[in-house]
Amino acid sequence: NAGVTQTPKFRVLKTGQSMTLLCAQDMNHEYMYWYRQDPGMGLRLIHYSVGEGTTAKGEVPDGYNVSRLKKQNFLLGLESAAPSQTSVYFCASRSGGASNTGELFFGEGSRLTVL
Amino acid sequence: GNSVTQMEGPVTLSEEAFLTINCTYTATGYPSLFWYVQYPGEGLQLLLKATKADDKGSNKGFEATYRKETTSFHLEKGSVQVSDSAVYFCALRADSGYSTLTFGKGTMLLVSP
Repeated sequence: NAGVTQTPKFRVLKTGQSMTLLCAQDMNHEYMYWYRQDPGMGLRLIHYSVGEGTTAKGEVPDGYNVSRLKKQNFLLGLESAAPSQTSVYFCASRSGGASNTGELFFGEGSRLTVL
Repeated sequence: GNSVTQMEGPVTLSEEAFLTINCTYTATGYPSLFWYVQYPGEGLQLLLKATKADDKGSNKGFEATYRKETTSFHLEKGSVQVSDSAVYFCALRADSGYSTLTFGKGTMLLVSP
């Protein structure tokens, strides 16, 4: 089972360049999330989506944009990359509704370096 | 707001030693509590969870009990293995709002043979 798949897994950018991280899930989950993981900071929520066509800001949204045009995909964009955005990015998803347990399913991460 | 505090690592143990990783939380209402584990180079995966006070979550020899009176959810294992070396995250899910998880900063565990 694929679960949550992130592409690319590694990327190096120069300051000012743009890029998009793709997250795809095959579990028909309603909720999707983008986190960044930095040493000593744990996981911080960037943006999230509660369904197709919806997005919302999380804890650290500045410098990022997201889109959820299809239920299974959640894209994270950096329009003008900065060195402070060097991080490991994780996508996660979970089901909605009364039966959900709150468990998040994570992708393997995307390591981004901005020079 | 909601927050999770974990003991700082790394925690360094010899194989077969007893493990405790402390976790305390601040939240309104009655949150659900989770422990996630992240093995090197991988994403996080759920280790165990508890959804109400006095519940005990358990998996792969790990246990944690939801203690509302002390707002704690400490992770324990009686005998660790080298393969348990990983980063462990405590997390909570509040019972309102968009209900994502609030994570602690993680505790690295290193187990030597």
